[in-house]
Amino acid sequence: EPEVTQTPSHQVTQMGQEVILRCVPISNHLYFYWYRQILGQKVEFLVSFYNNEISEKSEIFDDQFSVERPDGSNFTLKIRSTKLEDSAMYFCASRGVTGEKLYEQYFGPGTRLTVT
Amino acid sequence: AQKVTQAQTEISVVEKEDVTLDCVYETRDTTYYLFWYKQPPSGELVFLIRRNSFDEQNEISGRYSWNFQKSTSSFNFTITASQVVDSAVYFCALSEGYSGTYKYIFGTGTRLKVLA
Repeated sequence: EPEVTQTPSHQVTQMGQEVILRCVPISNHLYFYWYRQILGQKVEFLVSFYNNEISEKSEIFDDQFSVERPDGSNFTLKIRSTKLEDSAMYFCASRGVTGEKLYEQYFGPGTRLTVT
Repeated sequence: AQKVTQAQTEISVVEKEDVTLDCVYETRDTTYYLFWYKQPPSGELVFLIRRNSFDEQNEISGRYSWNFQKSTSSFNFTITASQVVDSAVYFCALSEGYSGTYKYIFGTGTRLKVLA
């Protein structure tokens, strides 16, 4: 069964450094998402991406964040200058574009980001 | 506005007891989907069930069952004869098309502890 993959599984970085989290969505999916989960809290929507542009972003997704689909397979989340409060699990998800598939997101296993 | 409420922060039961996890949602859309996910200590989101707003039939899958009631905007999850392996955080989520992106809105989760 196709699956969403994410690398790395765990990233440790120092405050102020830039990080790029990588995701490989399911190959025929065209809608992509990033979610964030601070330890012990709920999963929160960050951003959705379609047709090479952001379709919606949350208040959390400020100028420090950016997303990109640099090639036909990867989808990345960049945090420009990390802060301690960016420490969280980041989930990537993707979905199809028709019928019931509109509501059916597939989640990757997550990248745990630790900012020290 | 769209919202998912899981009022139970943590539940502890003894193995073999039945347990029900509550989920109440708010949406302005008539077409929407509801989901339950399990998050074990390893951190990934494990999909359990998807239910659309037009299908109010209860569903049973092994020891798991779900009760969807539009009249009370609830989508509750029952585990029968709980086992230690059921210990995890369980999230209820909602997806609607109102914003056009079909993002997921998660509840705050219920931590279930099943004691041997």
